[in-house]
Amino acid sequence: DIQMTQFPSSLSASLGDRVTITCRASQNIGSFLNWYQHTPGRAPKSLIYTTSNLHSGAPSRFSGSGSGTEFSLTISGLQPDDFATYYCQQTYSVPRTFGQGTKVEMK
Amino acid sequence: QVQLRQWGVGLLKPSEALHLTCAVYGGSFTSYYWTWLRQPPGKGLEWIGETNHQGSVHYSPSLQTRLTISVDTSNKQFYLKLDSVTAADTADYYCARGDIPRDMDVWGQGTTVTVS
Repeated sequence: DIQMTQFPSSLSASLGDRVTITCRASQNIGSFLNWYQHTPGRAPKSLIYTTSNLHSGAPSRFSGSGSGTEFSLTISGLQPDDFATYYCQQTYSVPRTFGQGTKVEMK
Repeated sequence: QVQLRQWGVGLLKPSEALHLTCAVYGGSFTSYYWTWLRQPPGKGLEWIGETNHQGSVHYSPSLQTRLTISVDTSNKQFYLKLDSVTAADTADYYCARGDIPRDMDVWGQGTTVTVS
């Protein structure tokens, strides 16, 4: 199985901050890395697919980059709706494993 | 607009079988992998498994001995059956559309399953 390691596991930030979350794969997954946002009581939402493509409906302040084994999600200008938990997931192979999540909290 | 609606029994006793159904409304049923995922309390998202419209399945290695995912293309529904549940299977369960190799782009509303 491909192991996905995400860090930090949590962070505190203020409105308007620029936030970066990193995800590392245990082997080369090309560009098959996605990012999701999850808030309590709601279904997860796709933000970014195949590394850097913004999902329709996701705000443009979200961006993704990377390739191979190292990837990142950046939120440029944190908004109130962005306080949530973010997960990376590889869809290179099965099982389609997730990182352990990064909780973004208000400072 | 594609919607996924899921349902199933939310309270089980240990050793019982969990049955969940996910119905797909709108869109193609043949072009995707239909996926089950879960989130145990206080833990992260876990991919359980997937099926395509022809019944070709992939399972999580940790669950495959207890897991069956099946599909009914005529009714645009897919199913999860997890045998011999324990407290460790307590979780929010989600169905989703897997636009592989892209992402899980449409999600069901979630079902809370408690084993006690």
